[in-house]
Amino acid sequence: EAQVTQNPRYLITVTGKKLTVTCSQNMNHEYMSWYRQDPGLGLRQIYYSMNVEVTDKGDVPEGYKVSRKEKRNFPLILESPSPNQTSLYFCASGPLRGTDTQYFGPGTRLTVL
Amino acid sequence: AQSVTQLDSQVPVFEEAPVELRCNYSSSVSVYLFWYVQYPNQGLQLLLKYLSGSTLVESINGFEAEFNKSQTSFHLRKPSVHISDTAEYFCAVSDNGNQFYFGTGTSLTVIP
Repeated sequence: EAQVTQNPRYLITVTGKKLTVTCSQNMNHEYMSWYRQDPGLGLRQIYYSMNVEVTDKGDVPEGYKVSRKEKRNFPLILESPSPNQTSLYFCASGPLRGTDTQYFGPGTRLTVL
Repeated sequence: AQSVTQLDSQVPVFEEAPVELRCNYSSSVSVYLFWYVQYPNQGLQLLLKYLSGSTLVESINGFEAEFNKSQTSFHLRKPSVHISDTAEYFCAVSDNGNQFYFGTGTSLTVIP
């Protein structure tokens, strides 16, 4: 089944404890992206990647890192999480560019205490 | 950077009635425009998009949106809504096809 998977789906952590949210797609897509969703703010793009080793900042990259060492994986790294990073995070992928249909993962709900 | 405005945060509508969800964006020479739908506890799904060509675009489930460059709008319409249309709808804009800006969303509730 073609899909985007994210792990973990739920995470409660404490300020400053490094964490990684994994994202994997099995559709051989070139384009991948991370978003955060907050009430009243909609979705905001964190980082995107157009290919292996090619990443670029979205609208709200501060406090996040990403890497794209393999085409299928695009992990989101929070080196020192803070409470303002409490949010619902979505990973998405698309065949070539973002203008192609983006397929979204199920989301990761992160709480930073 | 673009900004996207969805003026209506909540839209209640009776079943089989028409609906319009409004979306305006800040001006640009050229943009790509999208509507995504999010059903409860799910990720987003593409509903329809405008990249170029005809300014009226349609989805397979009866929604349509019209790109109006002079008014910098991309309003979403459906002539007759169904209970299953109850969801959150997000308008999105991109200048370069890779960086995206989303609106704050409109919660559509269809009343039986």
